[in-house]
Amino acid sequence: NAGVTQTPKFRVLKTGQSMTLLCAQDMNHEYMYWYRQDPGMGLRLIHYSVGEGTTAKGEVPDGYNVSRLKKQNFLLGLESAAPSQTSVYFCASSWVVRSPLHFGNGTRLTVT
Amino acid sequence: GESVGLHLPTLSVQEGDNSIINCAYSNSASDYFIWYKQESGKGPQFIIDIRSNMDKRQGQRVTVLLNKTVKHLSLQIAATQPGDSAVYFCAENVYFGNEKLTFGTGTRLTIIP
Repeated sequence: NAGVTQTPKFRVLKTGQSMTLLCAQDMNHEYMYWYRQDPGMGLRLIHYSVGEGTTAKGEVPDGYNVSRLKKQNFLLGLESAAPSQTSVYFCASSWVVRSPLHFGNGTRLTVT
Repeated sequence: GESVGLHLPTLSVQEGDNSIINCAYSNSASDYFIWYKQESGKGPQFIIDIRSNMDKRQGQRVTVLLNKTVKHLSLQIAATQPGDSAVYFCAENVYFGNEKLTFGTGTRLTIIP
């Protein structure tokens, strides 16, 4: 049972480049989330999904897009990367609200 | 505004001793709380949760206490082991038209052998 798997683990982008982060979960969870973690700050929610085909904005959605075409996958896209998007990105999933989130091991992204 | 904070950013504890990590929250409408452990280079790992209708919940070597009067949450780890060294942070769930989980910044716990 792999839980939540994120790819890639590391990535370096130049300003203006685009990329997609992939998250896959094998727990049949309905809810999926994308967070970013920056030094000195708590995890901040970028976008989330309450089920296949649905997405919603979180706390810091600007500059990101997401898609949930399949229940087990949640993709995070950066169309035009900026240095401010340098961060560690975590994907998480959960059964329902008010239940523990299960996190992947993160993607460390550096934008130069 | 809402906030989830920690009283101490770092905590060093002798191996075998008990440790207590504290968390203050500001939103009295928060109804669900979670403690996470994060080791270097890894994602947050669920430790224990508690709902607002409870004051205390115990797990394996861990206990979470919730004091709604002063909006305070604590995580107690009994008989600490080297593997307990990590960053611990709390999260609170509040409903603002939709559910929102707000995370604290974390306390780094170091176990001294």
